[in-house]
Amino acid sequence: GENVGLHLPTLSVQEGDNSIINCAYSNSASDYFIWYKQESGKGPQFIIDIRSNMDKRQGQRVTVLLNKTVKHLSLQIAATQPGDSAVYFCAENIGFAAGTASKLTFGTGTRLQVTL
Amino acid sequence: DTGVSQNPRHKITKRGQNVTFRCDPISEHNRLYWYRQTLGQGPEFLTYFQNEAQLEKSRLLSDRFSAERPKGSFSTLEIQRTEQGDSAMYLCASSLGEVATNEKLFFGSGTQLSVL
Repeated sequence: GENVGLHLPTLSVQEGDNSIINCAYSNSASDYFIWYKQESGKGPQFIIDIRSNMDKRQGQRVTVLLNKTVKHLSLQIAATQPGDSAVYFCAENIGFAAGTASKLTFGTGTRLQVTL
Repeated sequence: DTGVSQNPRHKITKRGQNVTFRCDPISEHNRLYWYRQTLGQGPEFLTYFQNEAQLEKSRLLSDRFSAERPKGSFSTLEIQRTEQGDSAMYLCASSLGEVATNEKLFFGSGTQLSVL
């Protein structure tokens, strides 16, 4: 229906716990993936990226896991903080070819709510 | 501030009016993208520029939409004869523009358009 898009999947976690946000991507030819964080009224903010020749990449408090067999991507946030509350999007680069731009396709997003 | 800058932040207009948005990318970035985002959804690709050349346009970009990047620096997105369905957040992003390389996109805070 018209309002389906308003009801984002929501993950509620307590401050200090670890968060895992999942994403199923659509195209087996995608070779580059990014997680973005979007706070209310702001544009998406880059968190971490991973190329298809890797299955894990770590950043500061964040880890991205890629399972190409089942086309699944996850974002793990360690010791979740109130400032992590936002909507998280995974994005994939579909059909990249030499000389073309990184044109990202975004998933629907997951809202992370951090409770005190 | 060396990030992507968009103006105005908010625009309210009446149906049938024309509107223009501006984007100033990160200064050394050659590629500039326009995305549209509606409530609860991920950003959707509209178009991108490599320097001043507009290289790809989405089917979402009807002929009422036009984008320019005249000197390869800032870009404008114009919507003519606005419709209520044009109400959305219009996001600009930029990237370095390295050839044959997946790149992360850096987004501005967007222009929120409301068509009454």
